[in-house]
Amino acid sequence: GENVEQHPSTLSVQEGDSAVIKCTYSDSASNYFPWYKQELGKRPQLIIDIRSNVGEKKDQRIAVTLNKTAKHFSLHITETQPEDSAVYFCAASVGGATNKLIFGTGTLLAVQP
Amino acid sequence: DAGITQSPRHKVTETGTPVTLRCHQTENHRYMYWYRQDPGHGLRLIHYSYGVKDTDKGEVSDGYSVSRSKTEDFLLTLESATSSQTSVYFCAISGDSGQYFGPGTRLTVT
Repeated sequence: GENVEQHPSTLSVQEGDSAVIKCTYSDSASNYFPWYKQELGKRPQLIIDIRSNVGEKKDQRIAVTLNKTAKHFSLHITETQPEDSAVYFCAASVGGATNKLIFGTGTLLAVQP
Repeated sequence: DAGITQSPRHKVTETGTPVTLRCHQTENHRYMYWYRQDPGHGLRLIHYSYGVKDTDKGEVSDGYSVSRSKTEDFLLTLESATSSQTSVYFCAISGDSGQYFGPGTRLTVT
């Protein structure tokens, strides 16, 4: 079945450094790739997403890149701050239906002040 | 928070008892979802609904059933709870700009 792999499972960076989280997906028909941030004890929050008709999307300090040929996409956070510390999840749509998602297993990002 | 509420927010129950979790939305979205979240597994889809009385299975549907008799409510039922169903359960809706999650229900089966 469809699968999304996410790496690394944990990531520790110094405040001000960049962080990169990578995901690969198996369904070549996937066309929608959201990223979620989940703080401890809270619900996952959608922070950015990308569709297959673009290769990169930016929103202030976060950006997502997509390589459809290689079936991988990445989240980039620049100038990290302590409040960026959280678990980040990638997801990929099942087939062409953006309403059904398969999630990666998450990356715990720790930003050290 | 996309007008999504879940009840109860916390529940402790015994093995073998039935449990029903409720998800309520106020924005008339067609698609609603139930996920479970466990350490090391991320978010896994249990069941989803694409309209009143229209539901389908997700990747971990065994032991769970759902019902949607009104647009605003999506119920998840554990007919006979087991310890392996101890988890955090999230409801979600799908809007024009993506999927949004409810606050979650922490269920413990003893």
